Amino acid sequence: AQSVTQPDIHITVSEGASLELRCNYSYGATPYLFWYVQSPGQGLQLLLKYFSGDTLVQGIKGFEAEFKRSQSSFNLRKPSVHWSDAAEYFCAVGAYGNKLVFGAGTILRVKS
Amino acid sequence: GAGVSQTPSNKVTEKGKYVELRCDPISGHTALYWYRQSLGQGPEFLIYFQGTGAADDSGLPNDRFFAVRPEGSVSTLKIQRTERGDSAVYLCASSGDRLAGSTDTQYFGPGTRLTVL
Repeated sequence: AQSVTQPDIHITVSEGASLELRCNYSYGATPYLFWYVQSPGQGLQLLLKYFSGDTLVQGIKGFEAEFKRSQSSFNLRKPSVHWSDAAEYFCAVGAYGNKLVFGAGTILRVKS
Repeated sequence: GAGVSQTPSNKVTEKGKYVELRCDPISGHTALYWYRQSLGQGPEFLIYFQGTGAADDSGLPNDRFFAVRPEGSVSTLKIQRTERGDSAVYLCASSGDRLAGSTDTQYFGPGTRLTVL
């Protein structure tokens, strides 16, 4: 069965510092992987996705993620965090045209 | 173009009552999904429609929950005899704009926050 683990419930970083949010997945085939961001009271916004090809994918707002099959990971990174990045981040795995399985989320706090 | 819309944005009801939650997907999207997000958790899949038919309803928790999409566009999630444990944010997503070739990305609405007293 598909599953996603986000080991960090909360992460606090200083504004301008780099960020890495961890995501590990379990899936029997080649996964489709996603990162979504959710601000308080808002819906989920897609940051980036991996379907195939280049394992380093670029997304919106300066985010990137790297797919590592050997580690079953899809970690999200940003070189310099802005205060507006404070939100909850969800990693998800899915099959074509089918349901997504989400992790429990990581809440990012940004210190000024 | 407009995104996924959901109505109402908030719904407060009493235990035992019936509720309907509506989702308007992105125009042209053939697939529609319902998820439920409880406090402090990630969204959990409920049901997936391809066109008018439910292609996968394995996430519906019990027979109090059902959903329809009669014309392949708008969908309604219906909950009978609501219980306090049904309180959550219900999210709708759509995908499958074949003209744009982007058939694999799900775009989410803002959700309906359901509170059962």
